Amino acid sequence: DGGITQSPKYLFRKEGQNVTLSCEQNLNHDAMYWYRQDPGQGLRLIYYSQIVNDFQKGDIAEGYSVSREKKESFPLTVTSAQKNPTAFYLCASSILPRTPPFFGPGTRLTVL
Amino acid sequence: GQQVMQIPQYQHVQEGEDFTTYCNSSTTLSNIQWYKQRPGGHPVFLIQLVKSGEVKKQKRLTFQFGEAKKNSSLHITATQTTDVGTYFCAGRNNDMRFGAGTRLTVKP
Repeated sequence: DGGITQSPKYLFRKEGQNVTLSCEQNLNHDAMYWYRQDPGQGLRLIYYSQIVNDFQKGDIAEGYSVSREKKESFPLTVTSAQKNPTAFYLCASSILPRTPPFFGPGTRLTVL
Repeated sequence: GQQVMQIPQYQHVQEGEDFTTYCNSSTTLSNIQWYKQRPGGHPVFLIQLVKSGEVKKQKRLTFQFGEAKKNSSLHITATQTTDVGTYFCAGRNNDMRFGAGTRLTVKP
């Protein structure tokens, strides 16, 4: 069963702690993305990767970091430098860069 | 930079009424995509439009791309309660930009 998995669905962390969100895809897609969604707003791009071992900053990369060591995996770390980390985080992938991305189920992060 | 504006922000309709959401870009787009996000869910890809003036239909949904490739619309005929959710457009030029979405509620 192909798809994108994100875990956990809900995540709670204390302020000042780094947290890593996982994203795995078995669709053999080259490109992967991380978006942030705040209530009543559209999606904003955090980071994207077009190929293994390469990634680029999106519009709101400050306070976040990523890695792309494997084609299937694109974890996102929310660091303590991110001022407002509470949000819904969506991972997506597309078969090629610039083709429509397909989204995973998302992780709702709450920082207390 | 490129901006994508979407209106209205909210739309509440009676079941059976039609619904339309509009997307406008500040720059000419190479393509535009539409997504639906159910409450508590994630965006699901609906369609991509590429050609100027293109019109595509999916059952009760009609998608249109403007002649100048700067605007698009999604029209739902005879809404049903299963249509509830937020509809997003995403316009691509060099980058892809999402509109803020139109949240549709349907009263049975």
